[in-house]
Amino acid sequence: QVQLQESGPGLVRPSQTLSLTCTVSGGSLSSGGYHWGWIRQPAGKGLEWIGRINTSGTANYNPSLKSRVTISLDTSKNQFSLKLSSVTAADTAMYYCVRGRVGANGLVEFWGQGSLVTVSS
Amino acid sequence: EVLLTQSPATLSLSPGERATLFCRASQSVSRYLDWFQQRPGQAPRLLIYDASNRATGIPARFSGSGSGTDFTLTISSLEPEDFAVYYCQQRSIWPDGFGQGTKLEI
Repeated sequence: QVQLQESGPGLVRPSQTLSLTCTVSGGSLSSGGYHWGWIRQPAGKGLEWIGRINTSGTANYNPSLKSRVTISLDTSKNQFSLKLSSVTAADTAMYYCVRGRVGANGLVEFWGQGSLVTVSS
Repeated sequence: EVLLTQSPATLSLSPGERATLFCRASQSVSRYLDWFQQRPGQAPRLLIYDASNRATGIPARFSGSGSGTDFTLTISSLEPEDFAVYYCQQRSIWPDGFGQGTKLEI
């Protein structure tokens, strides 16, 4: 059973870069056929895709965030990461890392428990 | 971008009753439509994928139907643990997107 665990600072200053890492256990990041992605949820609101990356390193980003987002893989550590630059209070949210299946059109089967990030000075 | 509209926003029912939730897409998503359940303080959990397939471990009281632009999630007889927020999600056209959610309350 694959498990995902987010980690990173809970507080980020406005205009700075938000950085989160997702550690994967029970499976290898190098295994083909999967997307590794990030979804966020402001408190009391709905879910928003940030982006995803496949094992080959090809990334898809939500156009609404594309100019500020980078998702990357570190197969040696079995981790993938999210960087979101120039953050504002609107980026305050719970951030989830997820795994999806490429062959199933990105079906998301596994979620991390989430990491709360607050943007505040 | 495909927009998903869920209805109703809130559904008030009692245990044992039948719940019907709706999700409408702004354009056809074929059958690439999933349903997630989110309980307070928890990550979403996959219930239904490809419009009508139950995910592993999901009870038979949950069922999904639809294709194209109109989809339905039905819970045949509500259990106390079913009171939560439900989201539909399309993965036909990137960016994949979610509906705004339906809160199922007692």
